[in-house]
Amino acid sequence: QKEVEQDPGPLSVPEGAIVSLNCTYSNSAFQYFMWYRQYSRKGPELLMYTYSSGNKEDGRFTAQVDKSSKYISLFIRDSQPSDSATYLCAMSAVWDDMRFGAGTRLTVKP
Amino acid sequence: DAGVTQSPTHLIKTRGQQVTLRCSPKSGHDTVSWYQQALGQGPQFIFQYYEEEERQRGNFPDRFSGHQFPNYSSELNVNALLLGDSALYLCASSLRQGDGYTFGSGTRLTVV
Repeated sequence: QKEVEQDPGPLSVPEGAIVSLNCTYSNSAFQYFMWYRQYSRKGPELLMYTYSSGNKEDGRFTAQVDKSSKYISLFIRDSQPSDSATYLCAMSAVWDDMRFGAGTRLTVKP
Repeated sequence: DAGVTQSPTHLIKTRGQQVTLRCSPKSGHDTVSWYQQALGQGPQFIFQYYEEEERQRGNFPDRFSGHQFPNYSSELNVNALLLGDSALYLCASSLRQGDGYTFGSGTRLTVV
């Protein structure tokens, strides 16, 4: 079993849809949780960062962490074609050695 | 304000050769981490440098080594290249106790 599991998709939605992206993990020591967006041929870009459990909202993006279920989510509201990218979850126990999921490829169709 | 800069952007090497990749961190960042990203996979942690020392290391062989300079820039060296070393190599910088990593665009290494 991988330490971080993420459905690779691909996921295709119409413009304006609500997108839900998820990761599960097995290491209960993880306490830093992040979501990155990666466009083709580019490095990952940090979208959301959460410490421990709870929700965090930033514009159209909401990150949720449920440590009891070892499950994290990223919601994108009013999705736009420019949101089309690969979304990577990442997590770590201490502030280094981030473990990444495989990434979910998202396409938002106009 | 420049972000993380990596060079070169692309590189083709022959099996058995050695390669050096370079990274300049974002201004104000003191910690540099290196990741390997195979096609269709998430980045895999190679190692992290802070105060010119390797602080953490992932599950990579000793063929992978690195260095951090006093100006916080860093190099990744890979010896005895294998075909399986072909990947996107990402450098990420952060503050030691920061709020997220900033990644460069990566160096795409192809081993033939």
